Amino acid sequence: GDSVTQMEGPVTLSEEAFLTINCTYTATGYPSLFWYVQYPGEGLQLLLKATKADDKGSNKGFEATYRKETTSFHLEKGSVQVSDSAVYFCALRRGGTSYGKLTFGQGTILTVHP
Amino acid sequence: DGGITQSPKYLFRKEGQNVTLSCEQNLNHDAMYWYRQDPGQGLRLIYYSQIVNDFQKGDIAEGYSVSREKKESFPLTVTSAQKNPTAFYLCASTGGQESSYEQYFGPGTRLTVT
Repeated sequence: GDSVTQMEGPVTLSEEAFLTINCTYTATGYPSLFWYVQYPGEGLQLLLKATKADDKGSNKGFEATYRKETTSFHLEKGSVQVSDSAVYFCALRRGGTSYGKLTFGQGTILTVHP
Repeated sequence: DGGITQSPKYLFRKEGQNVTLSCEQNLNHDAMYWYRQDPGQGLRLIYYSQIVNDFQKGDIAEGYSVSREKKESFPLTVTSAQKNPTAFYLCASTGGQESSYEQYFGPGTRLTVT
């Protein structure tokens, strides 16, 4: 079945450091890939997405590129801020299913110190 | 503003009692979902519904029940048969092409059963 594996956390960084959170997936066909962010006590918000190979999703300084050859969708940000502290989830939706369910990774806790 | 509301934010129940979690959306979305979130395990799908009066089991449906009598509403009942009901429950919905089938999440309900 489909699965998503994220790098284990928690990740602790100083402000302005470079961030990478690794995400790899297993799925048949051509899934769409997503990064969601969850701030403390809240629901999930879509951060960025990519729907086909070599697409780059970007938002709020975060980027991720859909790499089919390595089945990866790593999240990066060049300079993190304290306000980026949250839990980040990588997820996939199997291709061809418009209302298809999402399969999530286990989440990575990011803490950014001033 | 359109969105998803879940109530209440915190819910406390005694073991052996059924409890119903509310989820309402005014986004005119066809599909709705219930997820359970436990620390370090990401989100797991409980039930989903693509249209009114129809729903399907997700990965961990045992001990839960749902109904979909109206497009806007998708309540989840946690029954006494659910062995470990204490968790954070998230409701989500997905619209049509104009939203690129993005899943929108509610703020969640934290259920504690003692």
